[in-house]
Amino acid sequence: DAGITQSPRHKVTETGTPVTLRCHQTENHRYMYWYRQDPGHGLRLIHYSYGVKDTDKGEVSDGYSVSRSKTEDFLLTLESATSSQTSVYFCAISGKDLDQETQYFGPGTRLLVL
Amino acid sequence: KQEVTQIPAALSVPEGENLVLNCSFTDSAIYNLQWFRQDPGKGLTSLLLIQSSQREQTSGRLNASLDKSSGRSTLYIAASQPGDSATYLCAAPSDGSARQLTFGSGTQLTVLP
Repeated sequence: DAGITQSPRHKVTETGTPVTLRCHQTENHRYMYWYRQDPGHGLRLIHYSYGVKDTDKGEVSDGYSVSRSKTEDFLLTLESATSSQTSVYFCAISGKDLDQETQYFGPGTRLLVL
Repeated sequence: KQEVTQIPAALSVPEGENLVLNCSFTDSAIYNLQWFRQDPGKGLTSLLLIQSSQREQTSGRLNASLDKSSGRSTLYIAASQPGDSATYLCAAPSDGSARQLTFGSGTQLTVLP
């Protein structure tokens, strides 16, 4: 356990509503990531952050935005949720001390968009 | 674009057997390669990270090797136990970026008691 929590752990929402997922870390890692995991597609990177207010797009960033106003928090927002965004979302962290590359994952958030 | 393939998709072995999981990648200009374990309904747990300068990395009964020239990595599990049952994923950096990972689809391992 690398001190990562995700909230909520489960969420059901309706198409067209905004949704925000939160990732919180207590380990002071520099980098934070959002992935989604889907059957047949595996894990894919949505966005990542390399510091406070510094973010970049991943492979599947369309329809998602992120913000990082504090080192410990990384938010993922679905501005207008669609059924194709039904997935399991994982947050990950990396970049601390001598271990700069290993990614540590949170427990995941299951999102169902009806 | 980096592509990562894991074969087989599923593997079932009796307890005590030594086994090898395979991972292949298309872009050999990688900084490192990581192996993870995922239990059903859980997040990923990091097992081993091999730097591009290393050929092997060991942790307990696990040994991972990396051959950049052939675009292959293997995860060797010695004396398998039922508790090793999980999905094993490998991940390689995407397009030369050390921060963006491309994951394989995983090998689902079942160790029978």
